[in-house]
Amino acid sequence: AQKVTQAQTEISVVEKEDVTLDCVYETRDTTYYLFWYKQPPSGELVFLIRRNSFDEQNEISGRYSWNFQKSTSSFNFTITASQVVDSAVYFCALSEAPAAGNKLTFGGGTRVLVKP
Amino acid sequence: EAGVVQSPRYKIIEKKQPVAFWCNPISGHNTLYWYRQNLGQGPELLIRYENEEAVDDSQLPKDRFSAERLKGVDSTLKIQPAELGDSAVYLCASSSRDRSSYNEQFFGPGTRLTVL
Repeated sequence: AQKVTQAQTEISVVEKEDVTLDCVYETRDTTYYLFWYKQPPSGELVFLIRRNSFDEQNEISGRYSWNFQKSTSSFNFTITASQVVDSAVYFCALSEAPAAGNKLTFGGGTRVLVKP
Repeated sequence: EAGVVQSPRYKIIEKKQPVAFWCNPISGHNTLYWYRQNLGQGPELLIRYENEEAVDDSQLPKDRFSAERLKGVDSTLKIQPAELGDSAVYLCASSSRDRSSYNEQFFGPGTRLTVL
């Protein structure tokens, strides 16, 4: 069975500080996808980034960056120079290969509070 | 492009009453998902449709929950009778089988159900 663990339940930072969110996953699949979603107070889940299991290259997209390490089954996410609008709950999610159904398994979420 | 539409946004009912939620996915998306999100947790899949066929309903409590997607477009999720433990946010998502999208799921704003 697939499992996603986000050990941090809440993180509080001051604006412009960097925030790193931890995510550890478990799966028996050899092909899978990892995601980060943001859920602002309005409730809608917003897609942020995606990485497939064959590509461990870490990238930066604007103020977002991620560190995917297959050896430790971790997919950490960093917001650089945080802003108040980044305040939300962030979910890490794992998806099996699209051909197998694409079910998303979510972690418990990490609440990020960015103070001005 | 319009996103996933859900209604109602909020619903308050007394236990043992029936309730229904409606979802209209993004135009052209063949796959539709219903998730339940309990307070302080990540969403959990209830049912997944490929067009009008329910291909994964293993997590749907079939004694009281039912769903349909009659024409392969919009969908209804019903609970009858509702129990106190059904209080949660019910999220609808849709995705395309377009390879370039990696089956990325787009979420609606959700329906917040409160059972008294």
